[in-house]
Amino acid sequence: AQTVTQSQPEMSVQEAETVTLSCTYDTSESDYYLFWYKQPPSRQMILVIRQEAYKQQNATENRFSVNFQKAAKSFSLKISDSQLGDAAMYFCAYCNQGGKLIFGQGTELSVKP
Amino acid sequence: NAGVTQTPKFQVLKTGQSMTLQCAQDMNHEYMSWYRQDPGMGLRLIHYSVGAGITDQGEVPNGYNVSRSTTEDFPLRLLSAAPSQTSVYFCASSYTGFNEKLFFGSGTQLSVL
Repeated sequence: AQTVTQSQPEMSVQEAETVTLSCTYDTSESDYYLFWYKQPPSRQMILVIRQEAYKQQNATENRFSVNFQKAAKSFSLKISDSQLGDAAMYFCAYCNQGGKLIFGQGTELSVKP
Repeated sequence: NAGVTQTPKFQVLKTGQSMTLQCAQDMNHEYMSWYRQDPGMGLRLIHYSVGAGITDQGEVPNGYNVSRSTTEDFPLRLLSAAPSQTSVYFCASSYTGFNEKLFFGSGTQLSVL
């Protein structure tokens, strides 16, 4: 069975600095999709970034980028120029071709002014 | 555009009571799913549907029923509430599949006493 592990329950970053959130996953499949979702205190889940496993190029969305290491089964999220509004719970998620989405345990990010 | 609407936002039940969590989307999405969020465990898939009349079990289906009589609605029924079902419940939908961006409702916080 596929699993997703986020080993950092909490992280902290200074405003305007860069932070990296870690995610590893376990799968025997070669074709799959990876996601980072953000959950601010409002509880609303928001898609941050999506990566297709067959694409070698790392996905980027403005200040958010990923480091996708397929062989190592690692999918980290880098947030550059951190802002107070980035404070949230971040979830890494995996989806195989069968379509079931599996979430990691989450990393709570705090941003210090 | 309302997106994904969940009702109620909060609910308190006594052990053994039954209730239905409502989920409706107005985006003509075929794919809908229910998740529960518990501290330290991320989101876990309860049930999902790939179209009207089609439902299937997710990771933690016991104690829950679903039906999908229309494309728009995907209610989640708790048959006989138990304290272990105290959680935050999220409904989500997508147009082409769970490997695409999911649109989430704002969640229902359920407490079972």
